[in-house]
Amino acid sequence: QKEVEQDPGPLSVPEGAIVSLNCTYSNSAFQYFMWYRQYSRKGPELLMYTYSSGNKEDGRFTAQVDKSSKYISLFIRDSQPSDSATYLCAILTGGGNKLTFGTGTQLKVEL
Amino acid sequence: NAGVMQNPRHLVRRRGQEARLRCSPMKGHSHVYWYRQLPEEGLKFMVYLQKENIIDESGMPKERFSAEFPKEGPSILRIQQVVRGDSAAYFCASSRGQGAGGEQFFGPGTRLTVL
Repeated sequence: QKEVEQDPGPLSVPEGAIVSLNCTYSNSAFQYFMWYRQYSRKGPELLMYTYSSGNKEDGRFTAQVDKSSKYISLFIRDSQPSDSATYLCAILTGGGNKLTFGTGTQLKVEL
Repeated sequence: NAGVMQNPRHLVRRRGQEARLRCSPMKGHSHVYWYRQLPEEGLKFMVYLQKENIIDESGMPKERFSAEFPKEGPSILRIQQVVRGDSAAYFCASSRGQGAGGEQFFGPGTRLTVL
């Protein structure tokens, strides 16, 4: 079983839509959860990270962790064409020294 | 404040040649990580280094791959006798600290093509 699973998409939504991106993970001991955004031909950039359970909000982005179901989510409100990118969930593993990534969900926000 | 720098951005090698990928971490960062992104796959951890030490190489292939982070100069990921399956994007990240307190900042990547 993979440590992190993510639906690869692609996901296409109209501008202004609410986007929901999701991952599941296998090990209940994981504590730190990240969301990265990667534009085509670029390196990943950290959007948000959360510790343990709960929600974290930053502008139009909300990250949510449900440890009981081992489910992590990223919500994007009022999506914009500039949000078109691949979104990667990641978990800090290996004693806190390495990131284990999902395969990424490709998002396209259309005008 | 320059970010993580990687060079070259694109590298073409023929089968059997050597590839050397360089990574200069952000200023003040002493922790370096290498990841590989194969087509249709996510980023996979390869190795974690601090100055002059390999801390975790659990993601490195057993043969042909090596990494170093010398006291002076950039971190180097070296691939000997490249094969077509080595074609991928290789990303370097750096952090100030380790664990959850050390946010990893990624470079733009080196895209290796093996002919």
